[in-house]
Parts: sequence; C-alpha cells; structure tokens
Amino acid sequence: GQQLNQSPQSMFIQEGEDVSMNCTSSSIFNTWLWYKQDPGEGPVLLIALYKAGELTSNGRLTAQFGITRKDSFLNISASIPSDVGIYFCAGQTTDSWGKLQFGAGTQVVVTP
Amino acid sequence: KAGVTQTPRYLIKTRGQQVTLSCSPISGHRSVSWYQQTPGQGLQFLFEYFSETQRNKGNFPGRFSGRQFSNSRSEMNVSTLELGDSALYLCASSHTGSREQYFGPGTRLTVT
Repeated sequence: GQQLNQSPQSMFIQEGEDVSMNCTSSSIFNTWLWYKQDPGEGPVLLIALYKAGELTSNGRLTAQFGITRKDSFLNISASIPSDVGIYFCAGQTTDSWGKLQFGAGTQVVVTP
Repeated sequence: KAGVTQTPRYLIKTRGQQVTLSCSPISGHRSVSWYQQTPGQGLQFLFEYFSETQRNKGNFPGRFSGRQFSNSRSEMNVSTLELGDSALYLCASSHTGSREQYFGPGTRLTVT
C-alpha cells in the first residue's frame, strides 16, 4: 500500500486559481520528486528536491523540501486547462537506491 | 535524446501464463527501476538493476523477476499469472549517481 500521505486526493479548481498539495511521510527522505501523469502515460518528472528547506521552481510550479525531511509541498500558480492530471509525490531514503515510494496522487481538474 | 521506451504497450494474457516485458532506458542511463501501478495499491516498487545486477527489490512474490543486459536494456518476467497481476507496469531509468528517475509510457497488462 501507500507509504506516503498525499493530500488532497482531488481538487476541482477554476482556471487562473492557485493549487497546493502536500505529502508527509513517517520516514526521513533525502530526495523528494514531483511527477504528473496523464491518462495512459507514464509519470513525467516536474521537480526534484535534494536538501531540507530547498525551494525550487519550474515555470508556474514551485516545490519545497520540508525542514523535517518528512514532507514536501507543490504549488501550481495561475492554473490553466493543461494542468489537468494526477500529481504524485515520491520520496527516496538514503539507503535505497532506485526505489521511490509514491503518494496516492492528487487529481486536479481545471474548469474554465 | 530519446526517452524510455517500453514494449509492448498493451498485452492480454490468460491466468497461468507467463509474460515478459521489455524496457530500453535513456541512452547513457545504467539504472533501471520497475514499478507496478494499480488503482488499489498505486505505484509500487518491484526492483532496480544497475550494471546487470539487482541492487534493490520490493515486496513482490518470486513470480516477479527481472534482468538487465550489458546494454542496460531490462526485462521483467511474471510467471503463473494471476488476475491480480493486471496493472500498468512502468520502468524508469536514471543516470549513474542521480536520483531523478524518468519513466516510460508503461505496458498495460490485462490478465483474464
């Protein structure tokens, strides 16, 4: 089952609004990754975070690596219709090369 | 640079049969990880290979196995298929020393 708690499970927003989602874990991670998955496709990497407190942006996306190393946040500003999809957080522990633990995903629906 | 490719994209098998899925990583990437994605369990780690060696393994039964070739291409095999093995199987590759994983489009396996 899921090892990360990702919330919210789904969001229905209007175009132009900002979106926020977060993940929490009982484990300490040394890496947090955020992905977006469209139907029938594999996840696409959006942002990678490597240090506690790190804040990284990619266009309208901003993500942060929590200070406790047990959480991460993703914000999408000024949403547009193509932001529709499922967003996943993924974390990796220090001693676990190649193994990502995933959240359950946040489904984002954007209405015009 | 070409992305991760997976073949076949879709597969229908009968219970009790076996199946082999193939993954070609991004050129230059030597690490390949495999994941199973289902609506109920989400994305779960199967195993990871680097330089033809399995470095990490998830909590799946021995019916799930894999291997990696000298050109970094990887295959996973599922023997004695069960209905519950129906899923999207994803592989991801990463560059040596990098924690960023890049996913292929997946193979949709349906077991009847």
